Amino acid sequence: AQKVTQAQTEISVVEKEDVTLDCVYETRDTTYYLFWYKQPPSGELVFLIRRNSFDEQNEISGRYSWNFQKSTSSFNFTITASQVVDSAVYFCALSEAWGGSEKLVFGKGTKLTVNP
Amino acid sequence: EAQVTQNPRYLITVTGKKLTVTCSQNMNHEYMSWYRQDPGLGLRQIYYSMNVEVTDKGDVPEGYKVSRKEKRNFPLILESPSPNQTSLYFCASSSPVLSDEQFFGPGTRLTVL
Repeated sequence: AQKVTQAQTEISVVEKEDVTLDCVYETRDTTYYLFWYKQPPSGELVFLIRRNSFDEQNEISGRYSWNFQKSTSSFNFTITASQVVDSAVYFCALSEAWGGSEKLVFGKGTKLTVNP
Repeated sequence: EAQVTQNPRYLITVTGKKLTVTCSQNMNHEYMSWYRQDPGLGLRQIYYSMNVEVTDKGDVPEGYKVSRKEKRNFPLILESPSPNQTSLYFCASSSPVLSDEQFFGPGTRLTVL
């Protein structure tokens, strides 16, 4: 069965600190997709990234970067020089290869608070 | 503008009174899903649909029904709501042909008294 674990329930940092959100997944599939979503206090879900299991290249988008390591079944998310606007709940999710993204299994989320 | 819409956004109802939460997408997506979000549990899939007239259970389908008569619409039906269905509900759509990103609706906050 698929499972996503986000061990950090809450993280609090001071603005400009770097912060890494951990995500560990379990799946028996050899092909799968991993996602990160952001849920700001307003409640909507904002797509951040999708990565398929064949692409282990790290990705950087501005202050955001993702480290995908199949050897440790991890897909960690780092925010560099955090800002107050980064305060949100972040969800990691996994989906099976056969269906792509129509069936996502989510972690329980990590609440990030960035203090000024 | 590409979007997923849900109605109503907020609803307070009483136990046993049938209700429907509508979901509509304008992106011609094949896949649509319903999730519920509860504190400490993250998001869990209720039902999903891979195309018109094709639906299947997710992880927590008990107490819910869905239908997919048109590609753009995927309503969630609670025939006899109970307090344990008080939750935040999200509809999502995606297309494996286009981009496979899941687009989420704004959410419906349901309270069952």
